[in-house]
Formats: sequence, structure tokens, C-alpha cells
Amino acid sequence: EVQLVESGGDLVQPGGSLRLSCAASGITFSDAWMTWVRQVPGKGLEWVGRIKNKVNGESAAYAEAVQGRFTISRDDSKNTVYLQMYSLKTDDTAVYYCTIGYCTSSGDCHYDDAFHFWGQGTMVTVSS
Amino acid sequence: QSALTQPPSASGSPGQSVTISCTGTSSDVGTYDFVSWYQQYPGKAPKLIIYEVNQRPSGVPDRFSGSKSGNTASLTVSGLQADDDADYFCSSYTGSNNLAVFGGGTKLTVL
Repeated sequence: EVQLVESGGDLVQPGGSLRLSCAASGITFSDAWMTWVRQVPGKGLEWVGRIKNKVNGESAAYAEAVQGRFTISRDDSKNTVYLQMYSLKTDDTAVYYCTIGYCTSSGDCHYDDAFHFWGQGTMVTVSS
Repeated sequence: QSALTQPPSASGSPGQSVTISCTGTSSDVGTYDFVSWYQQYPGKAPKLIIYEVNQRPSGVPDRFSGSKSGNTASLTVSGLQADDDADYFCSSYTGSNNLAVFGGGTKLTVL
């Protein structure tokens, strides 16, 4: 059974920093591209960013809203992906989910367009 | 990248069919056949129910179907059941810096 467990959410002041973690189990983590999605409670979903696997250079992509402030990294030895957030704004207040794309039984994986497994989310509140 | 446009609400009686629209642009829905749909209950994480416009992950009932025409994608829920009462979100691949864009969500009420 695939499990994703996020942690690290907290109340932080504007301009502050925070690091979220997402621990994965039940998958070959080193193969997976990991994505972060956030959701303001009661509102829509927003794609935050993605990191590829080591074979693909662990390259990351970010939403324009967080570009230059957020950094995604991974530690395959710990089956964990991180979201480092700097210069936090009140608009960053949301539940943050880590997700993994959908792979068919034939091995066709949709890492950037279909998010299959989700964690339970961790709440980040940016407020003074 | 602007969010995809969904109606805020939809409703239907048990056994009926309901269709939820998702309107994007020629930069996302209109160009890529990578539209997905998610079902979300309050306080829970989203669940993937449709990918690649009209494909269902294993375990998703065939009461859920997807389609696309031009810049608009649609999710149809047939034979409505009480547990279909949930929020539904669409998403599209964009190929731009923001790799994926989501809709604002539609609250489906089963009357």
C-alpha cells in the first residue's frame, strides 16, 4: 500500500521560512517524480512544484507564484521529499500535499498530469 | 497561468446523470489531452478519478466518464449515488512553467 505522510506544517510569520517533509512508503521512491500541491481550505487546488528522479537529473520545476522562494529536494535514502519555503507570504497559507503521478499496469507513468497518490496534507499558516 | 473555470455547484437526484464542465484555454485544455479529474470529500485528500481526458484508474467505477471538446473538458457522473456528493476538481497539463493548472472546483450535491 502506497503511503505519503507530510509533516512540518506550522504557524509562521510573514517573511519567515519553513521546511515540509513527505515520507513515502510502498513505492520504489527512487523512480518516482514527486509533486507538491497546495489548497487554501475551502478553495481550489494549486500546483506548487515537482522534482524528477535521479535518472532524470532531479530537476525541479516551480509555479510562478513560488519561483525563487521555494525549493524542492529529495533524499532517496530516506524515501523523503522536501519543500523548503522562504520569504513566506500570507498568500502561502494553505494545506500542502505531496503527490505521485499515476502509472498504468504497462508502466506508462503520468507524473505531471495525473496525481494518483496523495498524503493527508500539512497545514501552513502565514500570519503575524 | 489562470485557473481552469468550473461551475461552483451542480446537483442531481439519485440515479440521474450530471455533467460538470471545465474550461481552459488553447494553452492547456485545448492543446493537451492530459486532463484529469479529482473527487474530494471534506477534510480529505483528492482522489484521481479520470486521467488523460477519459481514462479511469483501476477501481474507479465506469459511472464516471470524461470528454473534451476544444478548450472545454467535461466530467459526467451517471447513476448518481449518495456518496458522489463531493467536490470535483479538474486539472490540465500546460507545458509551461506552471506544469499543471487546476480548476476552482465544483460542489456536487446529490439531492
